[in-house]
Formats: sequence, C-alpha cells, structure tokens
Amino acid sequence: DAGVIQSPRHEVTEMGQEVTLRCKPISGHNSLFWYRQTMMRGLELLIYFNNNVPIDDSGMPEDRFSAKMPNASFSTLKIQPSEPRDSAVYFCASSKTSGGPQETQYFGPGTRLLVL
Amino acid sequence: KQEVTQIPAALSVPEGENLVLNCSFTDSAIYNLQWFRQDPGKGLTSLLLIQSSQREQTSGRLNASLDKSSGRSTLYIAASQPGDSATYLCAATIISSGSARQLTFGSGTQLTVLP
Repeated sequence: DAGVIQSPRHEVTEMGQEVTLRCKPISGHNSLFWYRQTMMRGLELLIYFNNNVPIDDSGMPEDRFSAKMPNASFSTLKIQPSEPRDSAVYFCASSKTSGGPQETQYFGPGTRLLVL
Repeated sequence: KQEVTQIPAALSVPEGENLVLNCSFTDSAIYNLQWFRQDPGKGLTSLLLIQSSQREQTSGRLNASLDKSSGRSTLYIAASQPGDSATYLCAATIISSGSARQLTFGSGTQLTVLP
C-alpha cells in the first residue's frame, strides 16, 4: 500500500487566497483525521471523519476552515481566505476503526503551508 | 480535557548511551498510549503502542512503559545510534464519538545522538 497520500507537499500563497489541501487515506480505512502542527501549539487535531461523516470539528480554528470527505478515498481541507497565521504543516491520518485495541493512525507526509 | 506533557524538550547524548524520554498525561482514562517518531520534514511513524491494560511494550532497542495511576509513560532507548536522532512524540488515545480513536499529542522531545 502507498500509505496516506497528501498533496501538495508544499504550498506558498499570498494572504487572502484560497488554499485547498488534499488527502487520500489508506484503502480500507474508515476514519480520517486532519491535524495542524506549529512550533507554538504542537500537533492539534482539527477535524475527523468516520465513514465519510464529520464527527468532531471542534478543533477547526474558525469559519475560514472547512473540510469535506465526498467519498472513502478522498478528503479536502480548505482555507478561505488564508492568513499568515495559518502557516503550518498540515497532516492527514487514517485508521481502521475495527474496535481493536491495537488500532493506530497512519500519517501522511504532510503539506507545508506558507502564507505570505 | 486531556493534556500531555513531554520532558525534556530536547536531549543530546553521545552514541551508545541508554536514554529515557518522559511523557505525562492528566486524564488516566486513556484507551492506549502511543509513541511516535518524526523525522525532519516527514510525517509521524508509530513506534510502540501500549494498551491501557498493559504495563510495557518492547520493540528491538525500544521499550515503552505505562503507569496509568500516576499518568506517566517512558520510552527507553538502549544503545542509542545517530540514526535515532529525531523528534519523539507521545500521544494519549481516548475513545470519542463514532468510536474513533482521538489522539492528544505531547509537544515532543527532540533527540540528537552524537557520533
């Protein structure tokens, strides 16, 4: 399996522009997570989906952020309009919610976003 | 709300030394405790997962322990090597709505092993 795939790997944009980050989870996984990592706040959960349904978006910083999962193999995280403080590394992770205690999340390589 | 703390924030050791990384969590009602490794510019890789009913897990030169009552976990690395240089993060897992495992991460310990 190719693992969790994220695109783009790097994104540089100007303040006010729309940014769309993409994620393809591991095939067969039914949970998908979006995280943001910054030096100041560490790794924070933004939102997660279970069977394509958003379960908890309490970590989404504000209305400028939105996430969708139209099918089991694709998710997007959109920032509109973007601001310099959104600069961070955004990770997508997936897991198979089987109920087993060994369940873990598999992380993608991340998208490094810089908003000028 | 679960809070996870890791000490120290950074650690530098000579090659061959044994070392311990510390992790503490505030809510003992965890499902499991995981240790991850993050290399610069890369994603996270799971190293060890300790179920709440377990006391420790071992993989090669790595040994992780869990003490739920005190809210602590340690990651022991034996005979450290330069290739162990990375940031190590611990994460406490809870069961959230929808049965998904929700992780709360510590801020990590940046380890440098000097040749």
